[in-house]
Amino acid sequence: RKEVEQDPGPFNVPEGATVAFNCTYSNSASQSFFWYRQDCRKEPKLLMSVYSSGNEDGRFTAQLNRASQYISLLIRDSKLSDSATYLCVVNSGGSYIPTFGRGTSLIVHP
Amino acid sequence: NAGVMQNPRHLVRRRGQEARLRCSPMKGHSHVYWYRQLPEEGLKFMVYLQKENIIDESGMPKERFSAEFPKEGPSILRIQQVVRGDSAAYFCASSQPGLANEQFFGPGTRLTVL
Repeated sequence: RKEVEQDPGPFNVPEGATVAFNCTYSNSASQSFFWYRQDCRKEPKLLMSVYSSGNEDGRFTAQLNRASQYISLLIRDSKLSDSATYLCVVNSGGSYIPTFGRGTSLIVHP
Repeated sequence: NAGVMQNPRHLVRRRGQEARLRCSPMKGHSHVYWYRQLPEEGLKFMVYLQKENIIDESGMPKERFSAEFPKEGPSILRIQQVVRGDSAAYFCASSQPGLANEQFFGPGTRLTVL
């Protein structure tokens, strides 16, 4: 089993839709979690951290489920500009090295 | 407040040549990570450095690849005797000290080996 797994998609949704991605991780000792966004041929950019209590930033909501070992990202009222690849990142306890998922591709169409 | 800088942005080399990729971290960041991303694939960790010190190079191929982060100047990822399979985007990220700190990425260097 891969350390961090994501459905590669693509998720193809109309503007205004709500879309959710999950990311599963295998190491139960994982301590910190992030969502990054990567546009085509660009660098990853931090979207948001994922806290145990959940985290909301405008139209974006991230949640952590430790019991089932997954994190989720919910995007409400999708915009065309949300089209990108969303990377799940997990830091395991005691490790300096984050593990990146391969990303989930989102395409928002008019 | 400059972000992470990488140069060159694009680098073309012929097989057997050397490639040198540079990364200047964000101001105040003392930790640098190098990643490689192949087309349609995820980011793969290569090496983690602090000033004058390699902390973890478990993701770096044992041969031809080396990295440094000197006391003065940028971090350098060096690939000797490049092969076509080295063609990829190489990203550098920097962070403040700490396990869970967020990483900030540079724009990457796209290496093409002819």
